[in-house]
Amino acid sequence: DADVTQTPRNRITKTGKRIMLECSQTKGHDRMYWYRQDPGLGLRLIYYSFDVKDINKGEISDGYSVSRQAQAKFSLSLESAIPNQTALYFCATKSSGGGEQFFGPGTRLTVL
Amino acid sequence: DQQVKQNSPSLSVQEGRISILNCDYTNSMFDYFLWYKKYPAEGPTFLISISSIKDKNEDGRFTVFLNKSAKHLSLHIVPSQPGDSAVYFCAASFGSNDYKLSFGAGTTVTVRA
Repeated sequence: DADVTQTPRNRITKTGKRIMLECSQTKGHDRMYWYRQDPGLGLRLIYYSFDVKDINKGEISDGYSVSRQAQAKFSLSLESAIPNQTALYFCATKSSGGGEQFFGPGTRLTVL
Repeated sequence: DQQVKQNSPSLSVQEGRISILNCDYTNSMFDYFLWYKKYPAEGPTFLISISSIKDKNEDGRFTVFLNKSAKHLSLHIVPSQPGDSAVYFCAASFGSNDYKLSFGAGTTVTVRA
């Protein structure tokens, strides 16, 4: 079974709709992250969380919100989706003790 | 402004030959660097890292070289195999336990048989 899972894997939605992307992990890591990938720009950090009560904005948080429901779950919400939020979204986890970030398989989101 | 740059969007190499991927960074405070590999429909997976106290790190067929004065690192894959065809991302951080990674745009490697 995958250590970091994301649902849904693909989603098409319309401008103005609210949408939630979910991430779950079984690695026992306390740090969780949300990134988006756009062609030619690499991965950019949206939000990150060091534990359930510690949530921080990344470099491109406008238009997004997050919820850390438990140590293993970190959700990303788009309150009112717009076309330029069309991208590939990745969740990642990392141990506070060090080591690399582990990524989920990604969610491809299209906003029409 | 992107602080980590991969100026070659793609690289094609023959099987068995060397692949060299390049990465430049602008922030001299970065002191930990990583390479991630990504296949289609999958998330990035960690490949190899290097701390700024070293100038070379090897792991099997993969070697990363760091030139701090030039703010440049490179990934060498020798010999290249068809399974190495993927997108490779360079990333940098302030320390190995920093919360944030700054990524380059990626280089797509195609290994020809």
